[in-house]
Amino acid sequence: DTAVSQTPKYLVTQMGNDKSIKCEQNLGHDTMYWYKQDSKKFLKIMFSYNNKELIINETVPNRFSPKSPDKAHLNLHINSLELGDSAVYFCASSQMSGAPGEQFFGPGTRLTVL
Amino acid sequence: DAKTTQPPSMDCAEGRAANLPCNHSTISGNEYVYWYRQIHSQGPQYIIHGLKNNETNEMASLIITEDRKSSTLILPHATLRDTAVYYCTPRAYSGAGSYQLTFGKGTKLSVIP
Repeated sequence: DTAVSQTPKYLVTQMGNDKSIKCEQNLGHDTMYWYKQDSKKFLKIMFSYNNKELIINETVPNRFSPKSPDKAHLNLHINSLELGDSAVYFCASSQMSGAPGEQFFGPGTRLTVL
Repeated sequence: DAKTTQPPSMDCAEGRAANLPCNHSTISGNEYVYWYRQIHSQGPQYIIHGLKNNETNEMASLIITEDRKSSTLILPHATLRDTAVYYCTPRAYSGAGSYQLTFGKGTKLSVIP
C-alpha cells in the first residue's frame, strides 16, 4: 500500500512551459507539504497546507502554486518554468494530532527544465 | 528556527553501533528534535524524535543532552541498508496546524562490510 504517491516520477520540459505534479496520500492525514531538493541536495520546505490554510515559505516564487482539491491531494502547479526550477520535488503529509513532525514523504518527482 | 551542525560523513562497520551527533545549540524550548534519513534519492524517512528525554524505538535510540544543545542518534547494529544521509532537524510550529521541518546538510553514513 502506497502511503504518499506522486506523479509523474520524472518530468522533462522546456523553459517557459507550465507543468503540474500530483500528490496523493491515503493515510488520512490533515496536513500536506511540498519540499524542493536542489542539485546540492539541500531539502527545503516550500509549502504546508492544512484545513484549507496555506503556509508559504517566503522564498518561493509566485510561479509556484499548490492546489488541494480535497484533503488527500495537494498538487503543485508551476508556471513559466525556469532552468533553476530543475530539482527533485517531494510531497509529504502528517497528522496534526499525535506526532505532527512525523512526516511521510513521497518518492519524489525529478523535474528537469531544458 | 534552530540551526544544526552535523559531521558531513561517517563510516561504520557492519554490525557495530553507529553514533551520529548533532549540535543544535540554538534550539528553543518548544522545539522537538527530529531525525530523518534519506536512502539514495528516495524520500526522507522518519526515524525518531524527542524533546528532553532519551527515546528508543525499533529503529534507533536518541540521546539528548540535559541542556538540549546536542543529541546523538544511535543505530545499535548498523546494516548495509542503513547507508544513507541522516538529518537532524528541529521542528517548530508554523501555524495552521503545520510543522515545517528545516533540513541541513546531514551526515552521510556509510556502513562498511
